[in-house]
Amino acid sequence: GIQVEQSPPDLILQEGANSTLRCNFSDSVNNLQWFHQNPWGQLINLFYIPSGTKQNGRLSATTVATERYSLLYISSSQTTDSGVYFCAVGASWGKLQFGAGTQVVVTP
Amino acid sequence: EAGVVQSPRYKIIEKKQPVAFWCNPISGHNTLYWYLQNLGQGPELLIRYENEEAVDDSQLPKDRFSAERLKGVDSTLKIQPAELGDSAVYLCASSLEGGLQFFGPGTRLTVL
Repeated sequence: GIQVEQSPPDLILQEGANSTLRCNFSDSVNNLQWFHQNPWGQLINLFYIPSGTKQNGRLSATTVATERYSLLYISSSQTTDSGVYFCAVGASWGKLQFGAGTQVVVTP
Repeated sequence: EAGVVQSPRYKIIEKKQPVAFWCNPISGHNTLYWYLQNLGQGPELLIRYENEEAVDDSQLPKDRFSAERLKGVDSTLKIQPAELGDSAVYLCASSLEGGLQFFGPGTRLTVL
């Protein structure tokens, strides 16, 4: 199956700081999603981004499919951004392979 | 629009006991997934349904796990008998035609 590696595994930010999370994958994909798992365990869709760049408020993501990586940018971080960010990829619709996640803690 | 509903949210049982989890997907979503999430790891797919048909159950430990999705809507995941190593969060997700997946809040299982 497709291997998914996320870095860094842990990130501590002061409120207002910017950060970049990375997702590397081992094979061609046509499905890539970023999720945020809040401290209560709920997984929330952030982006569907198998290629290109998207922005949603303070979050943006870029996937370079030819080089098999995706980046998630968090700007002006807030305490509510704390949680685990997962990258999930798939070679086809319906089958997602998740990475191990990046644990983000934003301190006031 | 209501999201994916799961129950119970928490379950504590003794080993060798049976346990069942229930999932109600988003209305109209024909694809339903059950995932297992261990502490500190990402979710891992157990089984995927397209309507009533299980199209991918390769990761489901069939000696003790079973699932069903009668009428192509609600689904139940069962473990019998439960083992200590089954302690985890069981997540249900749904999507339309295998597209964007939306997750429920999960059931946290503790096996003593």
